[in-house]
Amino acid sequence: AQTVTQSQPEMSVQEAETVTLSCTYDTSESDYYLFWYKQPPSRQMILVIRQEAYKQQNATENRFSVNFQKAAKSFSLKISDSQLGDAAMYFCAYRNYGGSQGNLIFGKGTKLSVKP
Amino acid sequence: KAGVTQTPRYLIKTRGQQVTLSCSPISGHRSVSWYQQTPGQGLQFLFEYFSETQRNKGNFPGRFSGRQFSNSRSEMNVSTLELGDSALYLCASSLGGQGAPLHFGNGTRLTVT
Repeated sequence: AQTVTQSQPEMSVQEAETVTLSCTYDTSESDYYLFWYKQPPSRQMILVIRQEAYKQQNATENRFSVNFQKAAKSFSLKISDSQLGDAAMYFCAYRNYGGSQGNLIFGKGTKLSVKP
Repeated sequence: KAGVTQTPRYLIKTRGQQVTLSCSPISGHRSVSWYQQTPGQGLQFLFEYFSETQRNKGNFPGRFSGRQFSNSRSEMNVSTLELGDSALYLCASSLGGQGAPLHFGNGTRLTVT
C-alpha cells in the first residue's frame, strides 16, 4: 500500500523569505500523481500544485515550486517570498495513475506559520 | 462558477443517532469523493461516486454509506453514531478524468456527544 510521510509537523518562516516543506512517499508504481494542498483555518482544502510522475520537469505555480525526485521518492514544496496568507496546514498527497480519481492518500500535514 | 458546497457546516448529534451530510459538486463535475479528517488519523478516504455509482471505498465500517444523485449531488450517511465519528467530513469533486485535481468544500464539522 502506498504511504505519504511529512516529517515536519510544524514549520515557521519570516515574511518575504523562502521555506521548503518536505514530503516522501512509498509506492511500487511507476506512474502516479503528486499534489500539495493547503488548508487554511477556513477548512477548505485548496490545490497548490500538481506533479505528474512521468514528467521530469518540476511543476511551478507562481511563488510555489516543487522539487520532485522520483528515484528518492521525494516531493518537497518550496514557497518563495512567503506572505502572511500562506499560513496554513499543508498536505502532500499521492494518487495512482489509472486508479480512482477520488482516492488520494494524504500525509499528516505540516503547519506553516508566517511571522511578520 | 460556484465551488463545492457542503451542508450543514456544523452538526451536533448524540451517540446512537444517525446523520446525513450533503455535498453539491462544482457544475459539470461527475465525481464526488468523501474524506474524514481527524487530528489523530488525518485525512482518510471514505468513498467515491461517479455517475451515481460507487467507484471506490475506503476502509470504514458499513455504518458509513453514501449515494449520488443524477444531478451529481451526493449524500453521506452515518448510522449508529459513535464518539469516534466526531470529525471534519470533507467532500471533493472533480471532472473525473486522469489527473483531474480534487476541489474541496469547506466541510461539515460533526460532533458526537
